[in-house]
Amino acid sequence: GAGVSQSPRYKVAKRGQDVALRCDPISGHVSLFWYQQALGQGPEFLTYFQNEAQLDKSGLPSDRFFAERPEGSVSTLKIQRTQQEDSAVYLCASSEGQGAYNQPQHFGDGTRLSIL
Amino acid sequence: AQKVTQAQTEISVVEKEDVTLDCVYETRDTTYYLFWYKQPPSGELVFLIRRNSFDEQNEISGRYSWNFQKSTSSFNFTITASQVVDSAVYFCALSEEGAQKLVFGQGTRLTINP
Repeated sequence: GAGVSQSPRYKVAKRGQDVALRCDPISGHVSLFWYQQALGQGPEFLTYFQNEAQLDKSGLPSDRFFAERPEGSVSTLKIQRTQQEDSAVYLCASSEGQGAYNQPQHFGDGTRLSIL
Repeated sequence: AQKVTQAQTEISVVEKEDVTLDCVYETRDTTYYLFWYKQPPSGELVFLIRRNSFDEQNEISGRYSWNFQKSTSSFNFTITASQVVDSAVYFCALSEEGAQKLVFGQGTRLTINP
């Protein structure tokens, strides 16, 4: 389809394992965002890419979280040595222009991560 | 600092009733954008509207309308003649000029009963 695609849809991992979450933005979209949404809460910003450049990673909760977008399209969010508090829905969004200021962001369905 | 408050955690109404979702925001910037998103059970956030800080005109789109009042830092959302398909979680969000992120409220879960 033409929307933002995220995979896997669901991921269950044991505490201490590494996980990788994938995001395919809308073709041609310059900006890509990752958000974390805890149960019953609003999404919280993690990181932002403009093409392949990671311009803002201020929302990453710890150095166990790492994101990349090497060719300016697909992005991967990696979480190392997962902990139970990492359990959440991880949302990816893309927008046509630069930044979040005046652009509507288009969201994927999210990856629901459960850490046992 | 940016902050968005949606004081109504859950709202439940009967179909065809009108319902208003409240949103209050805080920002030190004079230039910013406000957004509303809908999150149905499938999980995808669906963009509804964007409004910049210099445009206080109310907007109507079908059964949806938005009331932006800078004097009270509010951006409220009204659904007229609600339908069961309107059931979802609704989020209000803020983005300051030059910012790279949206700041979301905690959301309001709206249930429309037949």
